[in-house]
Amino acid sequence: NAGVTQTPKFRVLKTGQSMTLLCAQDMNHEYMYWYRQDPGMGLRLIHYSVGEGTTAKGEVPDGYNVSRLKKQNFLLGLESAAPSQTSVYFCASSPLGTRDTGELFFGEGSRLTVL
Amino acid sequence: AQKITQTQPGMFVQEKEAVTLDCTYDTSDQSYGLFWYKQPSSGEMIFLIYQGSYDEQNATEGRYSLNFQKARKSANLVISASQLGDSAMYFCAMRWFSGGYNKLIFGAGTRLAVHP
Repeated sequence: NAGVTQTPKFRVLKTGQSMTLLCAQDMNHEYMYWYRQDPGMGLRLIHYSVGEGTTAKGEVPDGYNVSRLKKQNFLLGLESAAPSQTSVYFCASSPLGTRDTGELFFGEGSRLTVL
Repeated sequence: AQKITQTQPGMFVQEKEAVTLDCTYDTSDQSYGLFWYKQPSSGEMIFLIYQGSYDEQNATEGRYSLNFQKARKSANLVISASQLGDSAMYFCAMRWFSGGYNKLIFGAGTRLAVHP
């Protein structure tokens, strides 16, 4: 039961470097999300997607880009990493439907450090 | 704008006792959902319980219950008979439907420590 898988789990970057976080889900969920978690601030939504080929901005989208070329994958990109982007990143997915609660199924998180 | 507030940064409780974690929310929507998630020190997010805004009964899941007071806009989590394994961060979250999309926001969390 893979569920939601994030890669990589850990990464250290230098300021200005770029990288991509990959999220894959095998539950055929329509919705996918990227959150960042910082101490004392809970989880904040970066970007989300309601289906293949569609993305939208969340609460804190600046400095990030996303793509959803395939339904099962949601990529989060940092074009020019900054120390303020040091965080733990969570990917999540949820089904779409009027009977669904909207419960999120989370990946295990990716810890990113920008020096 | 929607908002979730958890006013208790940290709580502690004796093993086997009950504890209430507070959550208040703000929304003008009539249809919404409220969640609680647990995050142990290992980091994963674990779904605990869900309450829909139209649900008349408070949600319960084993030792977890959600004390839903709609007029006060509160959705407190009650953990009965605390166990050492309940020590974790707990997040309250709210889902609503807007602009054709489900959206979900989280509170800042409460760290619970269960003492033997």
